[in-house]
This record gives sequence, C-alpha cells and structure tokens, in this order.
Amino acid sequence: GAVVSQHPSRVICKSGTSVKIECRSLDFQATTMFWYRQFPKKSLMLMATSNEGSKATYEQGVEKDKFLINHASLTLSTLTVTSAHPEDSSFYICSASPGQGVQPQHFGDGTRLSIL
Amino acid sequence: AQSVAQPEDQVNVAEGNPLTVKCTYSVSGNPYLFWYVQYPNRGLQFLLKYITGDNLVKGSYGFEAEFNKSQTSFHLKKPSALVSDSALYFCAVRDNTGGFKTIFGAGTRLFVKA
Repeated sequence: GAVVSQHPSRVICKSGTSVKIECRSLDFQATTMFWYRQFPKKSLMLMATSNEGSKATYEQGVEKDKFLINHASLTLSTLTVTSAHPEDSSFYICSASPGQGVQPQHFGDGTRLSIL
Repeated sequence: AQSVAQPEDQVNVAEGNPLTVKCTYSVSGNPYLFWYVQYPNRGLQFLLKYITGDNLVKGSYGFEAEFNKSQTSFHLKKPSALVSDSALYFCAVRDNTGGFKTIFGAGTRLFVKA
C-alpha cells in the first residue's frame, strides 16, 4: 500500500532555531501533500496544502513566513518552522494521497517538536 | 462549508461488547467519508471509506460504518471490541464538488476495558 515517510520523528531544540521536517511518499507520486498540526488532547488542524511546483496554500491564521513549505518534487515536501519558539512545540503530521477524489490520505508517523 | 462533528470525547466499552463511535457531517453535494485511527505518537491510519453504493461499509480490523444520508451520519461500529482497539478515532469528510481538502472531526478516544 501507499507509504508516507516523515522525518525526523522527534526534535528538541533551542528557541530561535529553525527546524526542517521532511515528508516523502515512498511508492507513489503526490502532486499534493498536506501538513497538519495536532494539539494536545487530539485536535488535528490543517495548516497548509503543499502543491508540487507551486506555492503552498495556507489556511487562515497560519503564518506563511513562520511555516515555510517547499514541494520540490512529486515525492518530497518539507515544512520549515523558522525561528521556533516554545509555543510552536507540537506534533506535526504530513499526509499525501496517490490520487485525488476517492483515495484516502496516507499519513506520516508525525514529528514531535519540542522547543526549549 | 463542510464540517464534521464527533459528539463524544471518549467512549468506554468492555472487551467483547459492541462499540459505536458517532460521526455526523455537513457538506454540499454528495460526501466522501472516511474513518482513521491514531495510536500514540503515530500518524493516522486509514480504516474505511464511503464513496457510493452500499450504505454499510466494511474496513480494516473488523470495523464497519453505516452511511445514513437522512441523518447525515457515518457511525463507526464493531461487533466485539478488543483491548487493542483502544486508540483515537477520527471521522473525516471530503466533498466531491471539486475540492480536495479533507476536514477531520475533533476525534473520539476509545477505551476498551479488559
């Protein structure tokens, strides 16, 4: 089945550091990938839609300059949290689908980001 | 605008008993409906989907869900719960009017007691 790999699984770093998270579709091409942020006690919030070869589409309230998304190829999207602060600490999850419409999304295992 | 509601934060059930996790949706046009499960510190795993056809959909790990158009519901069910079913369950909807965005419910934590 379709596999999405997310790396790293856990990051602990100091405030002010920029952190890059990678999301790869291993056995399919994904023109579109999604980035979510999951808050404590579950809520899954869509941050942005990553489009291969074009700019990402951000949801309302998500800072574009804070959360940089690059979708350089059909199998890789990256999320960079720039100048991270403790309030950026969260669980970040990416997803992708082999096709549009009826295909379910396949999720990476998430990245636990902790900013000290 | 499309939306999904999962009215229960937590569902508790004894092992061997049937379980139901509720989901209602609101979407323009015909919906694509999905259920996902999340285990601790992991991404979401696809369980089942409803696109069209038979209202009773069967999925992974013995789960099934019933699509009810008149009640705009898509409840997840399993005839006999296992302790290993304890996890966080998300209902999701995607409209088929040209959008590709999937909206997730807030999630329901299922706790199965031995």
